[in-house]
Amino acid sequence: AQSVTQLDSQVPVFEEAPVELRCNYSSSVSVYLFWYVQYPNQGLQLLLKYLSGSTLVKGINGFEAEFNKSQTSFHLRKPSVHISDTAEYFCAVSDGSSNTGKLIFGQGTTLQVKP
Amino acid sequence: ETGVTQTPRHLVMGMTNKKSLKCEQHLGHNAMYWYKQSAKKPLELMFVYNFKEQTENNSVPSRFSPECPNSSHLFLHLHTLQPEDSALYLCASSLTILAGGSTDTQYFGPGTRLTVL
Repeated sequence: AQSVTQLDSQVPVFEEAPVELRCNYSSSVSVYLFWYVQYPNQGLQLLLKYLSGSTLVKGINGFEAEFNKSQTSFHLRKPSVHISDTAEYFCAVSDGSSNTGKLIFGQGTTLQVKP
Repeated sequence: ETGVTQTPRHLVMGMTNKKSLKCEQHLGHNAMYWYKQSAKKPLELMFVYNFKEQTENNSVPSRFSPECPNSSHLFLHLHTLQPEDSALYLCASSLTILAGGSTDTQYFGPGTRLTVL
């Protein structure tokens, strides 16, 4: 079965500094990978997704992620964070060969941007 | 901006109560999902509906009973819940069911914060 591991439960960072949120998944024949963000008291919003093609995926709000098949990783990066990026970030994987409609989520990483 | 709405946003109920959560999507999607989000745990998929038919029940206790009368509405009926059922319940939808070859995105509602006393 697919699994997703987000290696950091909390990431504190100062405003305008770069950040990387790490995500590893269990190997499968084909996977689709997603990063979602959840602001306080809100639902999840899609930041970006990898389906196929270029391994560097650009998303909203200046975020990007790189799919690394050999390391089974999909780390999220932003070169300069803002206070407004403070939120919970979730990595998720969908089995590309499955018909169940299932997304498997990681435990989440809390990004705390400090002034 | 989300096209998925959930009501109520907050719900407090006793263990003997019966209540229902409602989800509505205005996106013309055909697949809908219920997730449970507990503190410090990954989101857990509970149910999946595709064109009103249930395609996934992720070993959810029978005290949770879903209903999907049409592709735009999804309900979660609750009865005789336990305190450990307290969580944020999220509804999501996608144009088609996430499956092999599908590139659709799941859109989430804001959730219902449920507290069971």
